[in-house]
Amino acid sequence: DTEVTQTPKHLVMGMTNKKSLKCEQHMGHRAMYWYKQKAKKPPELMFVYSYEKLSINESVPSRFSPECPNSSLLNLHLHALQPEDSALYLCASSQRGPGQGAGANVLTFGAGSRLTVL
Amino acid sequence: QKEVEQNSGPLSVPEGAIASLNCTYSDRGSQSFFWYRQYSGKSPELIMFIYSNGDKEDGRFTAQLNKASQYVSLLIRDSQPSDSATYLCAVRRNTGGFKTIFGAGTRLFVKA
Repeated sequence: DTEVTQTPKHLVMGMTNKKSLKCEQHMGHRAMYWYKQKAKKPPELMFVYSYEKLSINESVPSRFSPECPNSSLLNLHLHALQPEDSALYLCASSQRGPGQGAGANVLTFGAGSRLTVL
Repeated sequence: QKEVEQNSGPLSVPEGAIASLNCTYSDRGSQSFFWYRQYSGKSPELIMFIYSNGDKEDGRFTAQLNKASQYVSLLIRDSQPSDSATYLCAVRRNTGGFKTIFGAGTRLFVKA
């Protein structure tokens, strides 16, 4: 199994809603990532979990809350978002975490969750 | 200065030609370099990575790295219309948390 599965594919939410994005991989990867991508822009790193511990938080607003329940799952909890948070949210995984070998840091991306905040 | 710089294009080449995509980076200590391809509406997928100076070939793709010049490139030989996509250069920094930083991407069009 060489896939990263993200759900839901599309999400529309109001500014007062609470929702979650989910990501799952069964490749035995020990690092998982959330990236945000706006149209015609590159992916922008949000969070990195390495061995189920949060290792990088790119000063993301607290209305985004990541969670890594185990080595295969990664969630992104959303609360009180703004319309400018509308974007494609990409989950990725790599064999090992930051600081370890080139091949081990190849990112495998999920298909993304397209979020629209009204 | 952006950490990873690419010409946004679009780069247009005829079918069968060589497409040359370029990338420069600012962190001299960076060790690993990646090329990802992203089709419109899809997520990025790895083409290849390189970490030693010189060339690395994989089928129609060749990555070239010159750490002294802080420059990495991707050559696509015998370009096909199916190669039309945005090509993202990514660099793994060796400082500040060892993050993978993406360039803005170069849009490639291969004309049949």
